[in-house]
Amino acid sequence: GESVGLHLPTLSVQEGDNSIINCAYSNSASDYFIWYKQESGKGPQFIIDIRSNMDKRQGQRVTVLLNKTVKHLSLQIAATQPGDSAVYFCAENTGGSNYKLTFGKGTLLTVNP
Amino acid sequence: KAGVTQTPRYLIKTRGQQVTLSCSPISGHRSVSWYQQTPGQGLQFLFEYFSETQRNKGNFPGRFSGRQFSNSRSEMNVSTLELGDSALYLCASSSRGGLSTDTQYFGPGTRLTVL
Repeated sequence: GESVGLHLPTLSVQEGDNSIINCAYSNSASDYFIWYKQESGKGPQFIIDIRSNMDKRQGQRVTVLLNKTVKHLSLQIAATQPGDSAVYFCAENTGGSNYKLTFGKGTLLTVNP
Repeated sequence: KAGVTQTPRYLIKTRGQQVTLSCSPISGHRSVSWYQQTPGQGLQFLFEYFSETQRNKGNFPGRFSGRQFSNSRSEMNVSTLELGDSALYLCASSSRGGLSTDTQYFGPGTRLTVL
C-alpha cells in the first residue's frame, strides 16, 4: 500500500553539525516530495520540495536528495542550529494530478547547544 | 499576506456529538486540504477541495465530511464523535492544488478533544 516511512524516529546532534534525516517511500508513482518542519503547537511548515525528475535540490542551509532507484528521500541541514529542533516529516504526493499527500511518521530532531 | 487560519483553535466535545471546524485559506488560494494528526497514526489525509468540489478523499468513515464555499473557505464536520477522533485537525491551502511548484501551507490546527 501507499506509505512513507522514516528510518530514524529521533536524531540528536550538536549545534553546528550537519544533520541528515532519511525517509523511505513505497509508491513508485509518486512524483512530488516535500519536507515539512513542525514545531510544538504549530502546523507543519514547508521546508523544501523536489519533483521526481530531479535528484537534488538546494535551499538555504537545506538540501533534499531523491533516489528513485531505492525510493529514498533525505533532508540535509547544514550547520544545525537550536532553532532547527522540531519534528520533520517527509511527504509524497500520491494523488497524481489531484493533491493527496501521504506523510511519514516524523523524525524528532534535537539540537544540543 | 495572512496565512491559513483555523477556528476554533481548541474544542472539547463528548462522544456522540458532532463538530464543525472552519478553515480560511491564504487569499487567492483555491485548494484546501484537511488532515488529521494523532500520535499513533501521524498525519493522515482527509480530503481536498478545489473550487467547491471534493477532488480527493482519504480513508476515513463517512462521519467525516467537508465542504468548500465560493470564497474558498472550507469547513469539515465530524458527526457522532468517538474517543478516537481526538486529534489535531490541520487545514492546508495551495493556489491550485496540483503538481508543479504548488506548495501547501498549513494552518495552526484545531485541537479536538472528545470526552
